[in-house]
Formats: sequence, structure tokens, C-alpha cells
Amino acid sequence: KAGVTQTPRYLIKTRGQQVTLSCSPISGHRSVSWYQQTPGQGLQFLFEYFSETQRNKGNFPGRFSGRQFSNSRSEMNVSTLELGDSALYLCASSLSGAQDEQFFGPGTRLTVL
Amino acid sequence: AQSVTQLDSQVPVFEEAPVELRCNYSSSVSVYLFWYVQYPNQGLQLLLKYLSGSTLVKGINGFEAEFNKSQTSFHLRKPSVHISDTAEYFCAVWAGNMLTFGGGTRLMVKP
Repeated sequence: KAGVTQTPRYLIKTRGQQVTLSCSPISGHRSVSWYQQTPGQGLQFLFEYFSETQRNKGNFPGRFSGRQFSNSRSEMNVSTLELGDSALYLCASSLSGAQDEQFFGPGTRLTVL
Repeated sequence: AQSVTQLDSQVPVFEEAPVELRCNYSSSVSVYLFWYVQYPNQGLQLLLKYLSGSTLVKGINGFEAEFNKSQTSFHLRKPSVHISDTAEYFCAVWAGNMLTFGGGTRLMVKP
């Protein structure tokens, strides 16, 4: 069974630009969660999608948004990038939510210059 | 809101020695508790989880953790570590809506 895949693996953007990250969950998993990992703030929850609906949202500004498609693939969008958005963005999938075992992808490393 | 505190940011230990990684949490509701491990340049992987029942939980790679409700702790232990256990370990709490992670503990196993 294929694991969680994230594309692209690395991204370099400049301040003010926007970016879209993609996540393909494990087949059969309907829940996709996104996390931001930085050395200073650690792992922080962004949002969770389940069956194309945002079910939970963390404490991030509205510049961070996401969506989930009917095949459970998910995208995360960050608009008007700031230097502080530089981070490793992790996607995790599970059968029914974060209360289950989550399977994490390798992450997308975003650098904002 | 829930919070998770991992008391040690780094734990150096010699190979074959026992280790304990400490985790304390706060929450106003019942929680599920997890330990995840992140090996260098890899994604996070579940070590073990506590949902209910026996307070001693056994996980993969010889790790175990004990849930202590009165002390709101969920410490991770291994009786004898191996070089390959070198990684970052994250304690996490689920309290009904989202998973909250601790700051992580870097376990450094020395030969």
C-alpha cells in the first residue's frame, strides 16, 4: 500500500507570493490533516478535512486555507507569504480522524525569501 | 484548550541504558494520548497510543508508556536503547477536536 505523498518536496518563494501544496493520502483514508513544523514553534495543527469538509481548524490566519477533493486528495494554500511562513508542512492521513493512528507524509519544505 | 509539555528538549544516553522521556498534559476533558517518533529526514511514525483501559501501553520497537491520570502524565520508557533509537520523539494529546503536540524530545544514543 502506498504511503502518504506530498508534492512538491521543496519550494522557494518570495514574500507576497502565494503557494499551493498537495497531499495524496493512503487509499481508503478519508481524513487529511495539515501541520506546520518550525524549530521555534514545533508542530502546530493547521486544519483537518474529512469527506471534503473542513472539520477542525487551528489558530492560523486566514491566509492559510485548504480543500479536499472527492478522491480525498488535499491541497493547502498560503497567500501573501511572509518570512515566518518558512517551515516544513506535513500532511497526515487516517481512516476517520486524528484520534486514530495518523500516517504522515515526508513534508514539503517551504522557504520564503 | 489542551496543552502538552515535554520536559526535556534533549536526552543523551548510552547504548543499552534505560531511558524515560517525560510528557505532561493539561486538558479539561478526557483525552487520547500518543507518542510519535521522527527519525532523521523521515516523516512521523506512531509509536503507541492510549485510548482507554490498561494504563500501561506497549508500542513498537520495545517502547512502552504509562498513563497517570492524577499526575496528567504519559511518560515513554525503554529498558535498553539502541543506536537506531536516535530520533525526535513527540507526545501528543487529542481532546475532541485536534491533535496538540509537545515541543519534542531529541533522544541521542551514544555508543
